[in-house]
Amino acid sequence: GENVEQHPSTLSVQEGDSAVIKCTYSDSASNYFPWYKQELGKRPQLIIDIRSNVGEKKDQRIAVTLNKTAKHFSLHITETQPEDSAVYFCAASRGGYQKVTFGTGTKLQVIP
Amino acid sequence: GAVVSQHPSWVICKSGTSVKIECRSLDFQATTMFWYRQFPKQSLMLMATSNEGSKATYEQGVEKDKFLINHASLTLSTLTVTSAHPEDSSFYICSVRTTGSYEQYFGPGTRLTVT
Repeated sequence: GENVEQHPSTLSVQEGDSAVIKCTYSDSASNYFPWYKQELGKRPQLIIDIRSNVGEKKDQRIAVTLNKTAKHFSLHITETQPEDSAVYFCAASRGGYQKVTFGTGTKLQVIP
Repeated sequence: GAVVSQHPSWVICKSGTSVKIECRSLDFQATTMFWYRQFPKQSLMLMATSNEGSKATYEQGVEKDKFLINHASLTLSTLTVTSAHPEDSSFYICSVRTTGSYEQYFGPGTRLTVT
C-alpha cells in the first residue's frame, strides 16, 4: 500500500519568513495530493491540493509543487503569520473511491 | 464544500459498553465515507472505507467485529465501538466523498473517552 513520509515533524519560523514542508510517497499510481491544516481539537481543513498532471499550484501565500519522477511534493507558505501556526498534513490518493493516506504531520509554529 | 456533522462531539463511556457515533452529510451525496482515528499528537489513521449499500472495507489491524460500520444511506454512516476499552479512547473523525470527486470533507470529530 501507499506510504507517505513527511518532514520535518516540527518547524519554527519567524513571522514573515517562509516555511517549507516536504513529503514523499511510494505508490506511483497516486495522482491526488492534498494538504490539510489542523488546529488542536478541530477537523482537518483542506488548504490546497494538486493533481499529478500539474507540477505546481499556487493560492495566495500557499503553493504546492509536485515532482512525479522523484515522488516528492512540497508545501510552501510565504509571509507566515501567527495564525498559520497549526499541524499540517500531506496526503496521497489514487482518487475516485480510493483511500487517502496521510503523512505523519508537521507542527508549524510561527513566532511573532 | 460539503457540510458534514458528527454526533456526539464527545462521549465518555465505561469499559465493556458500546458507543455509537453518527456521521451525517447534510447537503451532499456521500457515496464513500471514511472513518479515521487520531491519537494525541499523531496523524489520522484510516480505519475503514464504506460505500453506500456495501460492506465496509477495513484496514489491516482494525477489528471489524469491534468497530462496526454501517453506511445505510447516502447521508448517514455510523461507527459503533463495541466492548470499549480505555485504549479505544481517541478522536474519531469521518469524512465523505461523492462520486467522481477527489476531495473529501471532514466531520468535526468525536472525542471518545473510555473509563
